[in-house]
Amino acid sequence: QEQLVESGGGLVKPGESLRLSCAASGFTFSDYYISWIRQAPGKGLELISYMSITSGYTNYADSMKGRFIVSRDNAKNQLYLQMNSLRAEDTAVYYCARGARALTSVGVFEIWGQGTMVTVSS
Amino acid sequence: DIQMTQSPSTLSTYVGDRVIITCRASQSISGWLAWYQQKPGKAPRLLIYKASSLQSGVPSRFSGSESGTEFTLTITSLQPDDFATYYCQQYNNHPWTFGQGTKVEIK
Repeated sequence: QEQLVESGGGLVKPGESLRLSCAASGFTFSDYYISWIRQAPGKGLELISYMSITSGYTNYADSMKGRFIVSRDNAKNQLYLQMNSLRAEDTAVYYCARGARALTSVGVFEIWGQGTMVTVSS
Repeated sequence: DIQMTQSPSTLSTYVGDRVIITCRASQSISGWLAWYQQKPGKAPRLLIYKASSLQSGVPSRFSGSESGTEFTLTITSLQPDDFATYYCQQYNNHPWTFGQGTKVEIK
């Protein structure tokens, strides 16, 4: 069964850091693009970044550049999101999602994790 | 960034009704549009990609169409399981962007 499972969320104070993990199973991790997407409480969906697991090429939404860093461990089939200098407005459910296989459709999110909640509050 | 504008924001309707949700892109996205369904507390689920291609396993009462920069999601004969929030998303240009969502609720 193709699956993504996020972990690492929690309650942090403004200015602190947090690293989220996304564990992939049931498919060849390195064949795909995987994205991080977040959803603030009661709000819509917002792309953070995407990564080609094959090449490691990563792109970020402009508003996410600088504080958020994506990395991967192909041996462990894991993707990570390092979040620094967190702010109250970063409070959200964070999802990882797998893109479709075709290069024209890597932005089609076929498989989603269940999400992990990050709360930034003093 | 490409802006995706959905309408309406909320739709109150009955089981069995036909529902149409519209999504307009701020510029051409060449049909590279997906639709997702999200239920409370759950991750989104892919319904349609490339504007009108039905994802495997999605019931045929869901369909999508496009006309220029305007896209529609149609649900024929709404079922109880279809009450949810629906999002469109363009994947033509980075950053890929989502509409603000349309909540379909029971009247």
